[in-house]
Amino acid sequence: DTGVSQDPRHKITKRGQNVTFRCDPISEHNRLYWYRQTLGQGPEFLTYFQNEAQLEKSRLLSDRFSAERPKGSFSTLEIQRTEQGDSAMYLCASSLGETATNEKLFFGSGTQLSVL
Amino acid sequence: GEDVEQSLFLSVREGDSSVINCTYTDSSSTYLYWYKQEPGAGLQLLTYIFSNMDMKQDQRLTVLLNKKDKHLSLRIADTQTGDSAIYFCAEMDDDSWGKLQFGAGTQVVVTP
Repeated sequence: DTGVSQDPRHKITKRGQNVTFRCDPISEHNRLYWYRQTLGQGPEFLTYFQNEAQLEKSRLLSDRFSAERPKGSFSTLEIQRTEQGDSAMYLCASSLGETATNEKLFFGSGTQLSVL
Repeated sequence: GEDVEQSLFLSVREGDSSVINCTYTDSSSTYLYWYKQEPGAGLQLLTYIFSNMDMKQDQRLTVLLNKKDKHLSLRIADTQTGDSAIYFCAEMDDDSWGKLQFGAGTQVVVTP
């Protein structure tokens, strides 16, 4: 069990550029989540996948954000036309996704995005 | 909407017990979690409790839940310098499993 891995760890970009992050969940986990964490705050839910299906998106996820999980394994989160307000830590988490009583989320180390 | 509140800072001496408090507003919260975050790292799940429980103990960690007052606490016995981190309380209800509502975190500083 190698845990949830995210790449890159840090990304610095200029306003207006597109960025893409990758998340590899724990191998047997069916659910994959994206959260965003800004300085001094707790993580906020963005979206989640059950296998390859994206089942819910938060209203925090504007049209500039898109997430995919094409084969039900790794996921990518793309932000188009980045804005300074997008600067945050983007956290990925995964879980077994079998029952609510067993729903323990395991988080990766995150991708820290800085938009200049 | 749901709200989870925590005190921002706690200073404790090495060897003492730490108590981190959390209050939540969602009466349908079914599952409550404590996560630990060290600098530059992701969140580590420490422990969790179901709303039909009052207490859960796991080695140095004790979780107490007062459902009537919607109050959750995490006690760390014999606090060590390695316990210095930010601790997040989070809640989840049955209708939105996997969508955790986090507090802003409590910064715990352990002094020798």
